[in-house]
Amino acid sequence: IAGITQAPTSQILAAGRRMTLRCTQDMRHNAMYWYRQDLGLGLRLIHYSNTAGTTGKGEVPDGYSVSRANTDDFPLTLASAVPSQTSVYFCASSDSQGANEQFFGPGTRLTVL
Amino acid sequence: GQNIDQPTEMTATEGAIVQINCTYQTSGFNGLFWYQQHAGEAPTFLSYNVLDGLEEKGRFSSFLSRSKGYSYLLLKELQMKDSASYLCAVMDSNYQLIWGAGTKLIIKP
Repeated sequence: IAGITQAPTSQILAAGRRMTLRCTQDMRHNAMYWYRQDLGLGLRLIHYSNTAGTTGKGEVPDGYSVSRANTDDFPLTLASAVPSQTSVYFCASSDSQGANEQFFGPGTRLTVL
Repeated sequence: GQNIDQPTEMTATEGAIVQINCTYQTSGFNGLFWYQQHAGEAPTFLSYNVLDGLEEKGRFSSFLSRSKGYSYLLLKELQMKDSASYLCAVMDSNYQLIWGAGTKLIIKP
């Protein structure tokens, strides 16, 4: 793989179900991020990780959790999905916190019914 | 609160020049970014400004005035492939990006 990948590409989920969105990068970037993008709003940061083993909360963390067991992977988990979590989710990475470019994955389109 | 403002939509003609403005109010400033996002795709990096002035990169230029909390993205010699959304983002004092809602640019022949 080259760059950053996300899975699945899209998903329809029943409310109350648990869901994990996967993100993997092969650029050996230290920092990784999860954003959601909703129509009419800017990208909003959900969680981030500045280096393997550490995570932090962004602007809209409620209902989501993350882990960073290694440099490459940064999964996002919805413990009990709700319709307001319907969105497009983007994973991104950068060489370091505050680096002047973030690289984005192709996104996951999630619909919660 | 933190706020990034940019026009919702703009229309321009192929071959022309267009300027997309962005104003911001954030907690701290560690640089301003412009990204391009085609419909259904991921954002891709265009430019980064941390000092006042103009940064030129081919057909695209980006300007920053920190005292005015203002930036613009200038696109010259517009091509149909430039039809996309252009996202303005500011890195705040916590080194997190605060994003505007994006400007949808429509290019007409």
